[in-house]
Amino acid sequence: DTEVTQTPKHLVMGMTNKKSLKCEQHMGHRAMYWYKQKAKKPPELMFVYSYEKLSINESVPSRFSPECPNSSLLNLHLHALQPEDSALYLCASSPLQSRGGYEQYFGPGTRLTVT
Amino acid sequence: RKEVEQDPGPFNVPEGATVAFNCTYSNSASQSFFWYRQDCRKEPKLLMSVYSSGNEDGRFTAQLNRASQYISLLIRDSKLSDSATYLCVLGITFNKFYFGSGTKLNVKP
Repeated sequence: DTEVTQTPKHLVMGMTNKKSLKCEQHMGHRAMYWYKQKAKKPPELMFVYSYEKLSINESVPSRFSPECPNSSLLNLHLHALQPEDSALYLCASSPLQSRGGYEQYFGPGTRLTVT
Repeated sequence: RKEVEQDPGPFNVPEGATVAFNCTYSNSASQSFFWYRQDCRKEPKLLMSVYSSGNEDGRFTAQLNRASQYISLLIRDSKLSDSATYLCVLGITFNKFYFGSGTKLNVKP
């Protein structure tokens, strides 16, 4: 089963709100990722967790705050976002150990609109 | 120069046609290679990992040419349901990936 789940599917929030996106996988994958995708563009990497430790933060503004409570869960906390942050937010996981090497499995995404 | 170059298309082909996409890359340290398909407003789905020996899955064949630094995806006997955007992805390490801009395929009846 190569399933990554994300909640909520859609989120509309004001610029002063605080909200969280959630991601879960039960495949035993040891790396989890947050991506941001704008229309007609490829996904852009935001954060990477490996063995529950933050491995990389691609110069993402501090209004985005990741959290990895355990090996199956990944959260993205949002605060004081801007309208240009409206996008599809994708979570992905990777087993880190497979013939293909670093293959990623994406969740369905959260479509975020900031008003 | 971009790390990954991919023809954006669109490729408009009739059902039953054979279509090929290429993706060139500049980073020779690339360790792993993938093709993903992405339907409109959906997430990317892993289509195939690309191995040095090439690999085939039904109507889909992926090839890697390290000497010329490109990967390819061949789709035979195109179906309407193959219409999507195809993304090539290069993995340098587990936390460094380069995505192509995607090639849009439209299969028409």
